[in-house]
Amino acid sequence: AQKITQTQPGMFVQEKEAVTLDCTYDTSDPSYGLFWYKQPSSGEMIFLIYQGSYDQQNATEGRYSLNFQKARKSANLVISASQLGDSAMYFCAMREVSGGYNKLIFGAGTRLAVHP
Amino acid sequence: EAGVTQFPSHSVIEKGQTVTLRCDPISGHDNLYWYRRVMGKEIKFLLHFVKESKQDESGMPNNRFLAERTGGTYSTLKVQPAELEDSGVYFCASSWTSGSAEQFFGPGTRLTVL
Repeated sequence: AQKITQTQPGMFVQEKEAVTLDCTYDTSDPSYGLFWYKQPSSGEMIFLIYQGSYDQQNATEGRYSLNFQKARKSANLVISASQLGDSAMYFCAMREVSGGYNKLIFGAGTRLAVHP
Repeated sequence: EAGVTQFPSHSVIEKGQTVTLRCDPISGHDNLYWYRRVMGKEIKFLLHFVKESKQDESGMPNNRFLAERTGGTYSTLKVQPAELEDSGVYFCASSWTSGSAEQFFGPGTRLTVL
């Protein structure tokens, strides 16, 4: 069965520093997609970044980058130059393709606190 | 363009009562998903609509949960009768196609069953 593991329940980082949030996954499907979502205290789920299993390069979106190591089955999120507004829950998710349709499997999440 | 909206934002009900949650996807999105996060646990898939048809309802916990999407626009998720373990945050998401990389999430409905 497909599974996402986020081993860090909470992380702290100093403002303006970089932080890496860990995510490992397990799947036997050769085609899959990996996502990171941010959930601030207001509750909405904000899409951050996507990495396809066949993408040759690591995905980047502004201050967010995904360190995709396929052999290790890891998809860590790197946030550069942390800002106070980055304090939130962060969820790693994998797209499970069943019958050609998609559902997302989520990890337990990591709560990031950015300190001034 | 309006995003995914959900109503209500919060609902507090007593065990045994009925609650109906509503989700309005982004206009034109044929695919609509329901997820929920029970306190302290992972966000779990509930079901997936393609237009008005249930494509995958493998995540529905039991027959107390009924989801509909009449006309392929908005969707409702009814819990009847509600139990204590149904408390959590219910998220709705939508996407253009089933293969879309991104699912756009709504703000969620926080359900508390007392």
